[in-house]
Amino acid sequence: DQQVKQNSPSLSVQEGRISILNCDYTNSMFDYFLWYKKYPAEGPTFLISISSIKDKNEDGRFTVFLNKSAKHLSLHIVPSQPGDSAVYFCAASGYTGGFKTIFGAGTRLFVKA
Amino acid sequence: EAGVTQSPTHLIKTRGQQATLRCSPISGHTSVYWYQQALGLGLQFLLWYDEGEERNRGNFPPRFSGRQFPNYSSELNVNALELEDSALYLCASSLDLGTANQPQHFGDGTRLSIL
Repeated sequence: DQQVKQNSPSLSVQEGRISILNCDYTNSMFDYFLWYKKYPAEGPTFLISISSIKDKNEDGRFTVFLNKSAKHLSLHIVPSQPGDSAVYFCAASGYTGGFKTIFGAGTRLFVKA
Repeated sequence: EAGVTQSPTHLIKTRGQQATLRCSPISGHTSVYWYQQALGLGLQFLLWYDEGEERNRGNFPPRFSGRQFPNYSSELNVNALELEDSALYLCASSLDLGTANQPQHFGDGTRLSIL
């Protein structure tokens, strides 16, 4: 039961260009969406979030877009930097049979210098 | 501010044994979550504790259990270990949900290996 899907296991981008990571969800009860970044041997770190009442949230180089009708969200990183190379997890929260946060499988981003 | 701490960092067990993993949340956080990340997979929700009570659990068998102590720290217990339990177990904490939609803050995990 994959309620949150990240269909691209990996993405490679040149330094300075835009990185776009995508995420789809199936359950309309989700009302809060988050992106986490994970480096090897470390736990995930919260990056940015968006409430379902918004369609865009921006924080420095990171912008998250939410398209509720398509049940799709994306994370834009611009400009991409080599230090952004990590695994990015999309997550969705809401009351679906009790409150829970469901994570996607992650997308590994490679930013080439 | 100290982050979420987990112990041990690594744990090696054999099939049939029992494992106990520990987590200390960020000071002031009352909710603790446990996740399993098996190799090549995303984070699978295991358990959520808040104010000492289990609030929700994921699709895992009953041999995965835990508790939350009065100081909000938490233990995850896995009984009758199986080979497929080998994974990274991550603990996260957050402010209570009364403050609505709080991001979770993660520890660095416990790597459990079953031989």
